[in-house]
Amino acid sequence: SQKIEQNSEALNIQEGKTATLTCNYTNYSPAYLQWYRQDPGRGPVFLLLIRENEKEKRKERLKVTFDTTLKQSLFHITASQPADSATYLCALRRGKLIFGQGTELSVKP
Amino acid sequence: NAGVTQTPKFQVLKTGQSMTLQCAQDMNHNSMYWYRQDPGMGLRLIYYSASEGTTDKGEVPNGYNVSRLNKREFSLRLESAAPSQTSVYFCASSEYGGRGGTEAFFGQGTRLTVV
Repeated sequence: SQKIEQNSEALNIQEGKTATLTCNYTNYSPAYLQWYRQDPGRGPVFLLLIRENEKEKRKERLKVTFDTTLKQSLFHITASQPADSATYLCALRRGKLIFGQGTELSVKP
Repeated sequence: NAGVTQTPKFQVLKTGQSMTLQCAQDMNHNSMYWYRQDPGMGLRLIYYSASEGTTDKGEVPNGYNVSRLNKREFSLRLESAAPSQTSVYFCASSEYGGRGGTEAFFGQGTRLTVV
């Protein structure tokens, strides 16, 4: 069956460092991959989208890579800030939009 | 421009009761989704509607039914609520672009407790 896995353990980093989150998938050939941010008590909010023929995408302090051979995406936040603390979800789509379980990021001042 | 609106925001049901969660979007999107979110489980897809008049099962459809009433509205029905259906329910919408695609917009969620 199709499976999407993200780091289940919370990621704790110091302000100013780069946070790297991982998304792995199996039995799936997504047309594209998306990353979302979710704050407590709220719905997810879209951050970035990367297509299967793209290797890397950047938006301000965010960078996403997509390796369809390894079936993996990495999500980087450079110069992290306490305001970046949230849960980050990856999602894959070919028709249906399926999410991973999310990784909680905590950035300490 | 309200985006995706879900009602109600909170609900407590007794086991065996039925209810319908409402969702409406004003962005003229083709695709709509219902998810449930439980601690440590992320978002799990219950049902999906690629366009008006079509619905498809997601990862966890048992115990639920859906209706795509028109392009704007997509409702989720619990016919006989069970404690295992205690969760936060999110509705979302997006354009459907086949091999392309755009972001999904989410409602604020419905917090449902079944006692």
